[in-house]
Amino acid sequence: RKEVEQDPGPFNVPEGATVAFNCTYSNSASQSFFWYRQDCRKEPKLLMSVYSSGNEDGRFTAQLNRASQYISLLIRDSKLSDSATYLCVVNSGSNYQLIWGAGTKLIIKP
Amino acid sequence: DGGITQSPKYLFRKEGQNVTLSCEQNLNHDAMYWYRQDPGQGLRLIYYSQIVNDFQKGDIAEGYSVSREKKESFPLTVTSAQKNPTAFYLCASSIDTEYGYTFGSGTRLTVV
Repeated sequence: RKEVEQDPGPFNVPEGATVAFNCTYSNSASQSFFWYRQDCRKEPKLLMSVYSSGNEDGRFTAQLNRASQYISLLIRDSKLSDSATYLCVVNSGSNYQLIWGAGTKLIIKP
Repeated sequence: DGGITQSPKYLFRKEGQNVTLSCEQNLNHDAMYWYRQDPGQGLRLIYYSQIVNDFQKGDIAEGYSVSREKKESFPLTVTSAQKNPTAFYLCASSIDTEYGYTFGSGTRLTVV
């Protein structure tokens, strides 16, 4: 079993719709969780950290479920510019290493 | 502005050559990382360093070497022993995984 698993997609979603995707992780000792966004042929950029209480940043909401060991990302009122690959990232239990999911590809269509 | 600089952006290597990819950061981060990404794939860890003069192998270290003589610099050498080096190489740094990683803009290496 992979340490961090994501549905690779692609998710094809009409502009303005709401889309959600999950990511599961295997290490119950993980303490830090993130969603990164990666555009084609670019470096990953931090989208948001995921806290136990959940967090929201504009149209984006992230949730953590420790009992079931998954995190989720919800995007409301999707824009064409949201098209990208979304990477789920979990720390390994140490202070220095993050474990990366392979990413979920999202395509927003006009 | 603080950040990570990778150079060159594009690099072409002939078969049998060693090449070195540069990574410099002025974020005062202790930890630095090298990842490889192949088309349509996730990030795979090559090497990481938590402190100056110390580094650890990642999942795919064979055919690569690194050094960490200064806090700011973590160069990666792709040796001739790496049989399939064509990929996108990303350098990252971190002060603590609680805050995530910051990435450079990457080097795209192609074997010709």
